[in-house]
Amino acid sequence: EAGVVQSPRYKIIEKKQPVAFWCNPISGHNTLYWYRQNLGQGPELLIRYENEEAVDDSQLPKDRFSAERLKGVDSTLKIQPAELGDSAVYLCASSSTVRFETQYFGPGTRLLVL
Amino acid sequence: DAKTTQPPSMDCAEGRAANLPCNHSTISGNEYVYWYRQIHSQGPQYIIHGLKNNETNEMASLIITEDRKSSTLILPHATLRDTAVYYCIVRGTGTASKLTFGTGTRLQVTL
Repeated sequence: EAGVVQSPRYKIIEKKQPVAFWCNPISGHNTLYWYRQNLGQGPELLIRYENEEAVDDSQLPKDRFSAERLKGVDSTLKIQPAELGDSAVYLCASSSTVRFETQYFGPGTRLLVL
Repeated sequence: DAKTTQPPSMDCAEGRAANLPCNHSTISGNEYVYWYRQIHSQGPQYIIHGLKNNETNEMASLIITEDRKSSTLILPHATLRDTAVYYCIVRGTGTASKLTFGTGTRLQVTL
């Protein structure tokens, strides 16, 4: 079984530039999560999708962050414009309805904003 | 969700059991104890979870005290590949419950 796929793995941009991250969850997983992990900290949830609906986006900085999950499968997280403080690892995870207690994480995208 | 307290770091010799403690004194009756780990440059990986009974799977054992205020994750025969940050998380029930990660315990397994 293929795991959660994320791309790119690394991204370096200058501040004020836009950036986008892509996630392909495990096949059949209805729930998709985006997390942000700052250096030395644990991951923090940004947004959770149930199929194509964002059911918890309370921690997403909506002034510059946006996300979408078209057709309830792949998802994209965008930052526009990026700030220096956005440098972090952005992790995508998915879980199934049957075994919701287990979230499967991708390898993450490491973003560096200069 | 209840907060957890873990030691920032621990060492363990390869082949020995690694016992990782976690305090969660404010846990409520319907909250589970979860353990995840994160190997360097990878995403977190689910290990095990439990409510009040001890649990064991192919990766580890979870021992929860009778009052549920603390727990211990046991890796019975640690290997170098078990070097990682281990997160103890208290989580409610249902799909809406969140995984709230702390800073975890950095386990270093040495030769």
